[in-house]
Amino acid sequence: DGGITQSPKYLFRKEGQNVTLSCEQNLNHDAMYWYRQDPGQGLRLIYYSQIVNDFQKGDIAEGYSVSREKKESFPLTVTSAQKNPTAFYLCASRGIYEAFFGQGTRLTVV
Amino acid sequence: GQQVMQIPQYQHVQEGEDFTTYCNSSTTLSNIQWYKQRPGGHPVFLIQLVKSGEVKKQKRLTFQFGEAKKNSSLHITATQTTDVGTYFCAGRVGSNYQLIWGAGTKLIIKP
Repeated sequence: DGGITQSPKYLFRKEGQNVTLSCEQNLNHDAMYWYRQDPGQGLRLIYYSQIVNDFQKGDIAEGYSVSREKKESFPLTVTSAQKNPTAFYLCASRGIYEAFFGQGTRLTVV
Repeated sequence: GQQVMQIPQYQHVQEGEDFTTYCNSSTTLSNIQWYKQRPGGHPVFLIQLVKSGEVKKQKRLTFQFGEAKKNSSLHITATQTTDVGTYFCAGRVGSNYQLIWGAGTKLIIKP
C-alpha cells in the first residue's frame, strides 16, 4: 500500500528531553511537510522540504529541527527549546497538487 | 501576512439539516483545496477548485470558488452521521506551493 507512515502514534516526553518523530513515505513524492495542530485549530507549518538535502523553515520552526537525507524520510526532532510541544503532529507529502497526510503523532509532555 | 479566514468555527446541526462553511482570503488565490478530518484522524483531500466562479459537486457536497478567487464555500445537503468531522480549506497564492490553511469548521450532529 502506498502512503505515509508516522511513528509512534503516541509519544510522551519529559521536560528538557529531545524527541524525534518519524515520517516515511513510499509515494515517490519530492516535497514533504511537517505541521502542528493544536485542539480546535488549523494546521501550522513547521518545516518543509522540496527535495532531498534541502529544507526550509515554516511559520513556527523555533524549537524544532529536521533532516532530509533520503527522499522517503523526513524526521522531525522536537527539542527542549520548544516550550509548549504538546500537540498533534502531522507529516504530509505533496502529490500533483494535493497533500497526503500520515496518521499523525500525538506528543504529550509529562 | 497572508491569511485564510474560515467560519464558523463550529456548527451544530440535526441529522438531515444542511451545513455550510465559508473561507475568505486576504489575497487572490490561484486555487483552493478542501480537506476533511474525521475525529482523531488526519486530513483527507476532497477537491481542488481553480477557475473563477467554479462550482463542483460530489454527491451531497457542493464546492464553490468565488468570482474574485478570494472566497470559497462548502455546502453539505442533508447531513448524515458520516459527515461528522472538521472541514478545512487551504489556498495557494501564485505559483507558491505552500498551502495557507483555514482554521477549520467542525460539523457536529446533535443527538
